[in-house]
Amino acid sequence: AQSVTQPDIHITVSEGASLELRCNYSYGATPYLFWYVQSPGQGLQLLLKYFSGDTLVQGIKGFEAEFKRSQSSFNLRKPSVHWSDAAEYFCAVGHMGGGNKLTFGTGTQLKVEL
Amino acid sequence: GAGVSQSPSNKVTEKGKDVELRCDPISGHTALYWYRQSLGQGLEFLIYFQGNSAPDKSGLPSDRFSAERTGGSVSTLTIQRTQQEDSAVYLCASSRAGGEGNTIYFGEGSWLTVV
Repeated sequence: AQSVTQPDIHITVSEGASLELRCNYSYGATPYLFWYVQSPGQGLQLLLKYFSGDTLVQGIKGFEAEFKRSQSSFNLRKPSVHWSDAAEYFCAVGHMGGGNKLTFGTGTQLKVEL
Repeated sequence: GAGVSQSPSNKVTEKGKDVELRCDPISGHTALYWYRQSLGQGLEFLIYFQGNSAPDKSGLPSDRFSAERTGGSVSTLTIQRTQQEDSAVYLCASSRAGGEGNTIYFGEGSWLTVV
């Protein structure tokens, strides 16, 4: 079975500061990894995904994530946070043959201080 | 519309009543998913439809939950004899096809409150 852990329930950063949201997964083979963002009153939006190849993945809105197999991690980063980035962020894992049946983490709520 | 459309956006129902939640996927998308998001929880997979194949119902939490997809498009999630623990946001999503390489697009969800 696959699982995802997002150890930080809440994170607060100042606007302009860098951001790293942690995600650890558990899956026996090569996982497919995703980060989604959910803003108030909106559906989830895909930020980026990793299937194979380059372990550093670029996404929308200036986000990137790095797949580290040795650490079973897929942390999300952004060099300079904007106030509009305040939202809830979900990491998810899938696998080959699993279709899009994803397992999600419990989310990290990001607050941005001006 | 351009995105996944769900209705109702909010539903308050009494314990023991049946509810139906509707999802209209993006036009042309053959795969459709239902997820549930409970307070403080991540998203929980419920059911997956792909074309004319038998749906993957492995995530349905009990036999009170069922879903159908008519004509390969609109889907209805039905919860019978609702319980308070059914209170959650029910999210529908669709993708162009069912493979992992296809980005899934989520609707805004149906907020269900069972009182």
